[in-house]
Amino acid sequence: DVKVTQSSRYLVKRTGEKVFLECVQDMDHENMFWYRQDPGLGLRLIYFSYDVKMKEKGDIPEGYSVSREKKERFSLILESASTNQTSMYLCASSPGTVNSPLHFGNGTRLTVT
Amino acid sequence: GNSVTQMEGPVTLSEEAFLTINCTYTATGYPSLFWYVQYPGEGLQLLLKATKADDKGSNKGFEATYRKETTSFHLEKGSVQVSDSAVYFCARNQAGTALIFGKGTTLSVSS
Repeated sequence: DVKVTQSSRYLVKRTGEKVFLECVQDMDHENMFWYRQDPGLGLRLIYFSYDVKMKEKGDIPEGYSVSREKKERFSLILESASTNQTSMYLCASSPGTVNSPLHFGNGTRLTVT
Repeated sequence: GNSVTQMEGPVTLSEEAFLTINCTYTATGYPSLFWYVQYPGEGLQLLLKATKADDKGSNKGFEATYRKETTSFHLEKGSVQVSDSAVYFCARNQAGTALIFGKGTTLSVSS
């Protein structure tokens, strides 16, 4: 089974802090994704990556950046956390083939105070 | 705007009732379609998928048929159980492998 591991289940950070959310997958998948999940809005794509050192903006990239230095790890970075970034963050991975399903981690619930 | 539209919840049913959760999409061409399920406290899991028109995806008693004519992919189950209580997301692919999700429909099943 594919395992996507997000390093923290819950995080509480202060406004203005730099925040790192880490995600690791163990199936040698080419593609990795970061989504945020908010009540009434569903999942929205922040960034994704098709390969090491490659990144593409999703639908809501403002206020975020990402890093993919190794194939198995995809980090989401909040350069200066704000209260409107309080959310559930979901990482996912998939093989490099079209129509492949995404495999999700259990999520990180981030609260910015 | 969001190109996957699901019926709004919550949906509340008694055990053994019939379930339908509507999903429609807009897209250029013929995307692949997916249903994901999220149980409390967990990430999303793939429930079923269909990759071309008239395909039927099925899993755990759930079914959905890819209807090109109506651009729909409605989720159905003949007899729901309490353990089916979860949030259900319809999705289609975009730009290769990224997915666009609907807003989710919460299902609550009581015994």
